[in-house]
Amino acid sequence: EAQVTQNPRYLITVTGKKLTVTCSQNMNHEYMSWYRQDPGLGLRQIYYSMNVEVTDKGDVPEGYKVSRKEKRNFPLILESPSPNQTSLYFCASSRTANTGELFFGEGSRLTVL
Amino acid sequence: GENVEQHPSTLSVQEGDSAVIKCTYSDSASNYFPWYKQELGKRPQLIIDIRSNVGEKKDQRIAVTLNKTAKHFSLHITETQPEDSAVYFCGAPDGGYNKLIFGAGTRLAVHP
Repeated sequence: EAQVTQNPRYLITVTGKKLTVTCSQNMNHEYMSWYRQDPGLGLRQIYYSMNVEVTDKGDVPEGYKVSRKEKRNFPLILESPSPNQTSLYFCASSRTANTGELFFGEGSRLTVL
Repeated sequence: GENVEQHPSTLSVQEGDSAVIKCTYSDSASNYFPWYKQELGKRPQLIIDIRSNVGEKKDQRIAVTLNKTAKHFSLHITETQPEDSAVYFCGAPDGGYNKLIFGAGTRLAVHP
């Protein structure tokens, strides 16, 4: 089954404690992306990757890091989480960068205390 | 870069009525306009998209229209049903930066 898998789905953490949200896709997609969803603000892009070892900033990259060492995986790293990073995070993948269907993971709800 | 505005932010209709959601974009070079539906607690999923070489596309009860001159596109849902209740997002490509920009979303409520 074609899917994008994120983990963890839910996480409560404290300010400053490093965490990683994993994302994996099995569709051999070159393009992967991370979004955060906040009420009234829609889906805002954090980082994206056009292919292995190619990553770039989205609209709200501050406080986040990513890596793309393998085609299927695109982890999101919060080196020192802060309360303003409390949000719902979605990983997505697509065959093309911005002209094709985005397949979203189930989302990861993160709370930073 | 691209800017996408979506209206209304909330929409309430009676079952069987039609619903229309409109998005405007700023980059005249944009050529792909998707609509995603997000049911409560679920992931966004593509429901319909349109490319700039056509003015309208239909899929059963949903349709999307595109006006390139005015730089806006709209989602039309006819004969609404309670299962259409969801948040709908429009999108447009920020071509120079290889990314998709989403509107802020419209929460549609269909009342039986």
